[in-house]
Amino acid sequence: DTGVSQNPRHKITKRGQNVTFRCDPISEHNRLYWYRQTLGQGPEFLTYFQNEAQLEKSRLLSDRFSAERPKGSFSTLEIQRTEQGDSAMYLCASSGQGASGNTIYFGEGSWLTVV
Amino acid sequence: DAKTTQPNSMESNEEEPVHLPCNHSTISGTDYIHWYRQLPSQGPEYVIHGLTSNVNNRMASLAIAEDRKSSTLILHRATLRDAAVYYCILVVYGQNFVFGPGTRLSVLP
Repeated sequence: DTGVSQNPRHKITKRGQNVTFRCDPISEHNRLYWYRQTLGQGPEFLTYFQNEAQLEKSRLLSDRFSAERPKGSFSTLEIQRTEQGDSAMYLCASSGQGASGNTIYFGEGSWLTVV
Repeated sequence: DAKTTQPNSMESNEEEPVHLPCNHSTISGTDYIHWYRQLPSQGPEYVIHGLTSNVNNRMASLAIAEDRKSSTLILHRATLRDAAVYYCILVVYGQNFVFGPGTRLSVLP
């Protein structure tokens, strides 16, 4: 399977703990995106990378959130000191250069439940 | 952010065609119209996209109004597996995909 891969698929954590999600994009894609989705809502943009450079961050990405893409391949999204409001599905997507006409391809998502 | 307007929900009978509308009156000349769908507990899945001309692929057809201020996603024969949330998105050059709440399509057997 050469699609976007996300791990773990599900994570239950206690409030205040740190969690990290990993995303492996489609290999030839240089753009990588993170989105967050809560029940009944469409995905909300968090941040995106072009190669290893983080080019844009949403205001939704508070100081407790950090994303990296150290070698321009896989990416990690870390949430520090989790809160119950962080419970959501975290989606990763990737695309080739120039995402206007190009499509973006999503992974299956990582579900986070903060208890 | 580019804006689209879609009905919250629609129903269709199995094996009948479905027309999912989308209004995007603020579209500019270089904006692409993309459609994605999301099945329960899965990430969004690409369906189709276009710029000015109507487009067909194995999943669906996209009909774009002449003034480009609206478009319609056409599923030619709905199946139960087509029950999903369908998102119409304007992709503005250099910006990211902005999702609205989409249309929840129910397919009745």
